[in-house]
Amino acid sequence: AQSVTQLDSHVSVSEGTPVLLRCNYSSSYSPSLFWYVQHPNKGLQLLLKYTSAATLVKGINGFEAEFKKSETSFHLTKPSAHMSDAAEYFCVVSYYNTDKLIFGTGTRLQVFP
Amino acid sequence: SQTIHQWPATLVQPVGSPLSLECTVEGTSNPNLYWYRQAAGRGLQLLFYSVGIGQISSEVPQNLSASRPQDRQFILSSKKLLLSDSGFYLCAWRGSSYEQYFGPGTRLTVT
Repeated sequence: AQSVTQLDSHVSVSEGTPVLLRCNYSSSYSPSLFWYVQHPNKGLQLLLKYTSAATLVKGINGFEAEFKKSETSFHLTKPSAHMSDAAEYFCVVSYYNTDKLIFGTGTRLQVFP
Repeated sequence: SQTIHQWPATLVQPVGSPLSLECTVEGTSNPNLYWYRQAAGRGLQLLFYSVGIGQISSEVPQNLSASRPQDRQFILSSKKLLLSDSGFYLCAWRGSSYEQYFGPGTRLTVT
């Protein structure tokens, strides 16, 4: 069955330091994977998507993620955190590449000045 | 470019009252559309999806219903709200690679 596991419920970083949000997936074949960000009382915004093309995916706002099949991981990174990055982040997989999305439980990112 | 609108942005309704939330999409035709609910501190729950006018699939049995009267309009309704209907309601449309694009959401509080 398809699933995603976000390994950290909370991550805290200082402004200007790197961000790493971890996500492992379970899939019987090559999945479509996404990262979304949600600021308080806002809708979800797509940061980036992996759809079996390049394994290193660049997204908006300086974020990127690397698809590692051998590790079944799709971790989200950013070289330097900004205060505006403080939000909830969701790792998402498309269920057998269909309309149904399976959401991780989310990681809350705090950024300290 | 595509844009998705939801209204109202916030809503406070008493238990037992009706509900109507509206979602419209601009810049695309015949999109797949979705309604989600996000309860406080919890993940997203898919409620309904639609692949075309008048075509609605329900994911979770509840006192909510959905309709799609026009190609780019998706409506979420209830005849009688329950306290448990409180939450953040999100509408979304599907892109070309199974990704979904979400609207700004409606915060519903049932009192």
